[in-house]
Amino acid sequence: DGGITQSPKYLFRKEGQNVTLSCEQNLNHDAMYWYRQDPGQGLRLIYYSQIVNDFQKGDIAEGYSVSREKKESFPLTVTSAQKNPTAFYLCASSMAGVDTEAFFGQGTRLTVV
Amino acid sequence: GEDVEQSLFLSVREGDSSVINCTYTDSSSTYLYWYKQEPGAGLQLLTYIFSNMDMKQDQRLTVLLNKKDKHLSLRIADTQTGDSAIYFCAESLSGNTPLVFGKGTRLSVIA
Repeated sequence: DGGITQSPKYLFRKEGQNVTLSCEQNLNHDAMYWYRQDPGQGLRLIYYSQIVNDFQKGDIAEGYSVSREKKESFPLTVTSAQKNPTAFYLCASSMAGVDTEAFFGQGTRLTVV
Repeated sequence: GEDVEQSLFLSVREGDSSVINCTYTDSSSTYLYWYKQEPGAGLQLLTYIFSNMDMKQDQRLTVLLNKKDKHLSLRIADTQTGDSAIYFCAESLSGNTPLVFGKGTRLSVIA
């Protein structure tokens, strides 16, 4: 079945460590996105990529990094520079053109311990 | 800049209609979406509407768009307990540009 998969579902990180969240899609979508969700804050855009080997910062990119080496994959690294990383992270993908929608993964809940 | 506003909470009785409202600021928005999020899960697209449309109906869901006032609403007919969730309004310029989300409306359905 086609879809978008995030892993792991839950992730615990010690302060000062980098962690990488996985996002894979088999929908042949060109664009992929990372959002962060905090209670009462809605979804805020971290990074997005419209094509392989290219990506742009979103509204809250500081403390995060991404790569887009393959069309199917858009991993997000939460670095130690991110001061408040505990949140729910959502990955999405979409196709360019009309009559399209963004599909979301099931999310990764990151907790700093 | 782009901004999407929604009321945070709505409570309705089972069987009644729910109306969730949203306002947006970017007049160049081409696509307007409604997503549903259940606890601990990702977002599920409910419906979307192009900016050149006024209304779209899909089973129990009706979307109304007032482009002049930049106002979008989602009506859920015969609301059920399974409709309890957070509903997000979102806008985008095109199919491969990022969505801008509102903060979500938590719908509680009382049996």
